Amino acid sequence: NAGVTQTPKFRVLKTGQSMTLLCAQDMNHEYMYWYRQDPGMGLRLIHYSVGEGTTAKGEVPDGYNVSRLKKQNFLLGLESAAPSQTSVYFCASASSTPSDTQYFGPGTRLTVL
Amino acid sequence: QKEVEQDPGPLSVPEGAIVSLNCTYSNSAFQYFMWYRQYSRKGPELLMYTYSSGNKEDGRFTAQVDKSSKYISLFIRDSQPSDSATYLCATFNFGNEKLTFGTGTRLTIIP
Repeated sequence: NAGVTQTPKFRVLKTGQSMTLLCAQDMNHEYMYWYRQDPGMGLRLIHYSVGEGTTAKGEVPDGYNVSRLKKQNFLLGLESAAPSQTSVYFCASASSTPSDTQYFGPGTRLTVL
Repeated sequence: QKEVEQDPGPLSVPEGAIVSLNCTYSNSAFQYFMWYRQYSRKGPELLMYTYSSGNKEDGRFTAQVDKSSKYISLFIRDSQPSDSATYLCATFNFGNEKLTFGTGTRLTIIP
């Protein structure tokens, strides 16, 4: 099992550009999450999904959109990137309840110039 | 005020020392407490979790929770260079089903 994978690993964008980050998990998990990690701020929840076809806002959702068309994939979109979105983005998944262990991907390092 | 406060360090200790990592939290609704370990340029991985006040031991690691003072600790005995990582505490609120992380403490074990 690959666990949780994220694509791409690194990306540099110019202000105003758009991009999509892909998260895939092969553990048949119901719950999936997108976090951003910034120095001094810790991990902050952007959006999450409690199952295929569902999404919900987390702590810092502005400027991001998500989709969960397939159970194994959770996409994070930036429609018009801003320098404030420079961060490391982590995807995570959990089995059947939100208190289950969250398994994290390796992260995507995004720089917006 | 953040719901979970954690000293960011960095913390450097010699190999073999006992390490103490701590967090405080403000919300009494937090019921489930975890420690994640994050190696450089990797995703966090769950190290330990506990539901209740008291101690939970797993090998060289002990997690301690004091709900009366809203204090969470992780102790590492006989620390090894491979323990060098960032340690994040986290709390779970069953009411809103949210996991809240501390900012993490960067730990270096010096050989």
